[in-house]
Amino acid sequence: GAVVSQHPSRVICKSGTSVKIECRSLDFQATTMFWYRQFPKQSLMLMATSNEGSKATYEQGVEKDKFLINHASLTLSTLTVTSAHPEDSSFYICSARASGGVTDTQYFGPGTRLTVL
Amino acid sequence: LAKTTQPISMDSYEGQEVNITCSHNNIATNDYITWYQQFPSQGPRFIIQGYKTKVTNEVASLFIPADRKSSTLSLPRVSLSDTAVYYCLVGAYYGGSQGNLIFGKGTKLSVKP
Repeated sequence: GAVVSQHPSRVICKSGTSVKIECRSLDFQATTMFWYRQFPKQSLMLMATSNEGSKATYEQGVEKDKFLINHASLTLSTLTVTSAHPEDSSFYICSARASGGVTDTQYFGPGTRLTVL
Repeated sequence: LAKTTQPISMDSYEGQEVNITCSHNNIATNDYITWYQQFPSQGPRFIIQGYKTKVTNEVASLFIPADRKSSTLSLPRVSLSDTAVYYCLVGAYYGGSQGNLIFGKGTKLSVKP
């Protein structure tokens, strides 16, 4: 149980294009999903919190117009990196928190490696 | 949000028991303690979670003293495949302060043959 998937696992794109990453909770409903970014040899950095049916909450320093988040259902959240540039190249990881859960246990997806040329 | 402090790295040998201690002096009443394991280029994997005393599951044990200002993750008889980064995090009740998990630097465990 508590499986989270991400698609694609790896994407390479040209500078200036947009890339969409999907995050799905496969066997549970998630009212809240989180998006993280991880640069090489660094820890995970929280980018935004995505709540089903409402606008995402972005961490300080994260551009909401560049990183568009949509959480349209209890099992799907998407992150769109708009007008990607080489500095956006990173490992993007989502997590999902089960609805009705008592504790802040998050289950993470396998991550998406984005390379912007 | 409670800040956590862990050793940057640890070395061990196959078959040994490994204990990784995490300090969280400012832990709040509603905070749970959660440990994750991360391999390179993968998302973190949930290992164990606890509030106080001792919690044990099929892969690890978590020891939490009465003051809850620290916790120790215990991995019995590690193998080479346990080489990974281990993160200790504290987070609130879902219905409480809605605190999000903030990742520190973690502990890089290297298991040698």
